[in-house]
Amino acid sequence: NAGVTQTPKFQVLKTGQSMTLQCAQDMNHEYMSWYRQDPGMGLRLIHYSVGAGITDQGEVPNGYNVSRSTTEDFPLRLLSAAPSQTSVYFCASRNRDHDTQYFGPGTRLTVL
Amino acid sequence: SQQGEEDPQALSIQEGENATMNCSYKTSINNLQWYRQNSGRGLVHLILIRSNEREKHSGRLRVTLDTSKKSSSLLITASRAADTASYFCATDADGSEKLVFGKGTKLTVNP
Repeated sequence: NAGVTQTPKFQVLKTGQSMTLQCAQDMNHEYMSWYRQDPGMGLRLIHYSVGAGITDQGEVPNGYNVSRSTTEDFPLRLLSAAPSQTSVYFCASRNRDHDTQYFGPGTRLTVL
Repeated sequence: SQQGEEDPQALSIQEGENATMNCSYKTSINNLQWYRQNSGRGLVHLILIRSNEREKHSGRLRVTLDTSKKSSSLLITASRAADTASYFCATDADGSEKLVFGKGTKLTVNP
């Protein structure tokens, strides 16, 4: 199993540009989440999903959209990038019946 | 707002010493987890303790949970340089599907 994969690893955007961060898992996990990690702030939950077709907001959802059309994929869309969205983004997944969360390697995003 | 808060923010010890990190949280939980993050990498699950458990061991790791004080501690015994990493606690706040992380403790183990 590849586990949780994220692409790209690095991305530089200009203010106002849009892009999609990709996340996929091959473990048939129902739950998937997106976090951002900023220095001194730990991980903050952006959006999460408990199954295909179901998404909900986390702690810091503004400026981000998600969709979950399949169990495997959970893309995160930045609608109009802002410098405040410069961060490292982690995708994670877990099985509904087990609480252990598996993380992807992260995407380092810089917005100029 | 963050559910878990780790203490201390940073800890520097010598190889062979024990390292203790603490986590406090605010709401009721079903379980509390500890994760490790090496620099520039994703988080890796270490250990989970349920709300009806008081202590759990895994190798050199020992986790305690005090639900009356809403706190947990992670003890790493006989530390090694390879234990250098950031350690995070995470809770399912109010038993929800969301997993909420603290800000982490940065552990440095000097050879």
